[in-house]
Amino acid sequence: QSALTQEASVSGTVGQKVTLSCTGNSNNIGSYAVGWYQQISHGAPKTVMFGNSLPSGIPDRFSGSKSGTTASLTISGLQPEDEADYYCSTWDYSLSARVFGGGTKLTVL
Amino acid sequence: QLQLQESGPGLVKPSETLSLTCTVSGGSISSSSYYWGWIRQPPGKGLEWIGSLYYSGNTYYNPSLKSRVTISVDTSKNQFSLRLSSVTAADTAVYYCARHVGADIAVEFDFWGQGTLVTVSS
Repeated sequence: QSALTQEASVSGTVGQKVTLSCTGNSNNIGSYAVGWYQQISHGAPKTVMFGNSLPSGIPDRFSGSKSGTTASLTISGLQPEDEADYYCSTWDYSLSARVFGGGTKLTVL
Repeated sequence: QLQLQESGPGLVKPSETLSLTCTVSGGSISSSSYYWGWIRQPPGKGLEWIGSLYYSGNTYYNPSLKSRVTISVDTSKNQFSLRLSSVTAADTAVYYCARHVGADIAVEFDFWGQGTLVTVSS
């Protein structure tokens, strides 16, 4: 059981806007910035968002937000190459540990 | 461009110690600006944080693994290492090293290594 809850799967068509969510509590998401990691075909994770910052080289169709204890990753103008597993992560001060969500499998139809 | 590369045995026997090294290139591990971490992913499962350290040697470990984990740094070689003792089949995973975006254990990772598969089997 992951400390952060993500949808198991989300799908969208090319050009569509999709939003992935990550739900935690006041000990983690409610208190710290959230990172989002993209993993394509079981390759190495790639950071697509940390806090509200877009890493260099990541297209600006990716954006992140947070409201209370839920964080979201929005992909505007979905592309075939966005098909991947996406994981959220943050620090949990009650556990004194970095925690990850279980991951969302994004399918581009 | 910063690069991280994991290395170590791909096969470890049960009850023995898993040892991996992460070599950093394109940047200094002695920089006061970053923490460095280890993360693993069992086959078909999600990501699990193992622990992180600062170049000074300050470390944080996942409480679920703390009794078996040691992370250390060798600034002369620009490397940091992971040792996980008393391994079982449940420790079979791809192990990744990564850099935190700042000098704070609570901040996210920005750069990741390509990962190395470690199988625990006799």
